[in-house]
Order: sequence, then C-alpha cells, then structure tokens
Amino acid sequence: GESVGLHLPTLSVQEGDNSIINCAYSNSASDYFIWYKQESGKGPQFIIDIRSNMDKRQGQRVTVLLNKTVKHLSLQIAATQPGDSAVYFCAAGGTYKYIFGTGTRLKVLA
Amino acid sequence: GAVVSQHPSWVICKSGTSVKIECRSLDFQATTMFWYRQFPKQSLMLMATSNEGSKATYEQGVEKDKFLINHASLTLSTLTVTSAHPEDSSFYICSARGGGLAKNIQYFGAGTRLSVL
Repeated sequence: GESVGLHLPTLSVQEGDNSIINCAYSNSASDYFIWYKQESGKGPQFIIDIRSNMDKRQGQRVTVLLNKTVKHLSLQIAATQPGDSAVYFCAAGGTYKYIFGTGTRLKVLA
Repeated sequence: GAVVSQHPSWVICKSGTSVKIECRSLDFQATTMFWYRQFPKQSLMLMATSNEGSKATYEQGVEKDKFLINHASLTLSTLTVTSAHPEDSSFYICSARGGGLAKNIQYFGAGTRLSVL
C-alpha cells in the first residue's frame, strides 16, 4: 500500500547550523506535498508546500526540495534555532487525501 | 494561515461514557474535514474523512458506530467517541481543508487528549 517514510527518526543539530530532514514517498501519482511541524502536545502546523511541477520552493528560513524521479523530498531549515525543536512530518497526496510520514524529531543542541 | 479550533484540548472520562470533540474552521469554509488519531511517538492515523452534509468515509478498521462523525456545516465537525474504554485513550486531531488558493492544504486543530479511566 501507500507509504511515506522518513529516513531518520531523530536528528540532532547544533544551534545555528542548517538542518535537512528527508522524506520518501511511494505513490508516484502524488502531486502535492506538505511539510508540517508538530510540537509536543499540539497539532501539526503547516510549514511549506510544493506542487509536483516544481522542484524547489523557499520560505522564511525553510526550503523544500522535491525529486520526483526518486520520489524524495527534503526540508531544509537554515540557521536552526531552539524553537525549531519539534517533530516534522511530510505529507504526500493531492486532491483527496494525504499520506503522512512517520515523522523526524529534530533536536536543537545549544 | 487558516485557523482550526478544536475543543476540548483535554478530557478525562469514565469508561462507558461518551465524549464529543468539536472542530471548527474559524476563517474559512471547510469543505472537507479529517479526523486523525495519534499514538505516542507515532504518525497520524487517518480515521475518517467527512464532507459537509454527507456521511463520513471511514478508514479500514475504524468502527463507525464507535466513532461518530457529524459534519453539520462548512465550519463545524464533531467526533463522538461512544462508550469510551481505556483503549480509546489517545490524542485525536482534526484537520480541515477548504477551497480557493489553499484548497490543497490541510490545516490542523491543536488536538484533544482523551484519557478514559
């Protein structure tokens, strides 16, 4: 069945460094992708999205890269801050529904 | 971004009672709402999808008589956990998506932590 996975369950990054969180998806028909941030005890918060007709999109301190050939997307966070500590989920899907990845916990080290 | 309000944020109930969780889209009309369940350190598990005025579509393995979903208006959906038991204890999160430019984005509520004693 469909799946969306993340390569690493936990990522530890020094404060100020850049973070890269990866995600692989299985459904080649997915045409829309979203990254969410979930802090402990809270609901997921939208970070950035990208359509399948793009391979890169930038936001404030975040960049999402999409490689449809290998069905992979990544989230890059520049100058990681303590407030970035959270679990990050990717979601792949489109019109009907999304499949969510298992999540990567980002730990920011002081 | 759009705001989805979920209430209550935390509820404790006795085994056998029913609990209702509300999900409201505050600044947009949610044509579709989703209900998820999340276990500790795990991803979101989709329980059901509901469109306003229609019966909810439940995912495989989710008991529709146990988890009653009502999407009465374009801004309100409710999830009722009927005859709750300790195994129903979990973190429930609603999500909504609307139309227009943000039609592909699902916005989430803050979640409801349910503890059944």
